[in-house]
Amino acid sequence: AQSVTQLDSQVPVFEEAPVELRCNYSSSVSVYLFWYVQYPNQGLQLLLKYLSGSTLVESINGFEAEFNKSQTSFHLRKPSVHISDTAEYFCAVTPTSYDKVIFGPGTSLSVIP
Amino acid sequence: DTAVSQTPKYLVTQMGNDKSIKCEQNLGHDTMYWYKQDSKKFLKIMFSYNNKELIINETVPNRFSPKSPDKAHLNLHINSLELGDSAVYFCASSTGNLEAFFGQGTRLTVV
Repeated sequence: AQSVTQLDSQVPVFEEAPVELRCNYSSSVSVYLFWYVQYPNQGLQLLLKYLSGSTLVESINGFEAEFNKSQTSFHLRKPSVHISDTAEYFCAVTPTSYDKVIFGPGTSLSVIP
Repeated sequence: DTAVSQTPKYLVTQMGNDKSIKCEQNLGHDTMYWYKQDSKKFLKIMFSYNNKELIINETVPNRFSPKSPDKAHLNLHINSLELGDSAVYFCASSTGNLEAFFGQGTRLTVV
């Protein structure tokens, strides 16, 4: 079975400051890793994903995440946040051999002007 | 064109009623899901269908019955609604184990 932990339920950060949202997972099999973002009153959208290859993946809006197999982590970072980044962020995993996406409990990012 | 569409967006109903939520995807995906998001934003998978066949049923009460008339549709029917069923229900679809595309959600309020 797989599980996902997001230790920080809420992260307040000032505009233009850097941010890191932490994600750790546990799995006995290989997994794919994802970060999804949910803006208020909307569905989830894929932010970025790690399938294979380079362990550092980037999104089009400045976020990046690094897969660390030894630490079973997939932390999300952004060097300078904007007000528009205020949202709920979900880390997710799916086994490479099974159709099931497991989500973490989410981290609420609040960007303060 | 909306990739994954759910109707209705809002649903307010009384305890004991039966209601349905419809979901359609135009992405050609083989797999569709229903997720429940509670008031603390926690997302829990309820069902997964692959090519109209039930793959996952995550210990959901049997008052919840999914129905997949074809690969592009996965509807959720709920009997005898209870207060605890109040939540946001998300439909999603994916191909293989890759990106899941989500609908906008249906906010169900049971009064």
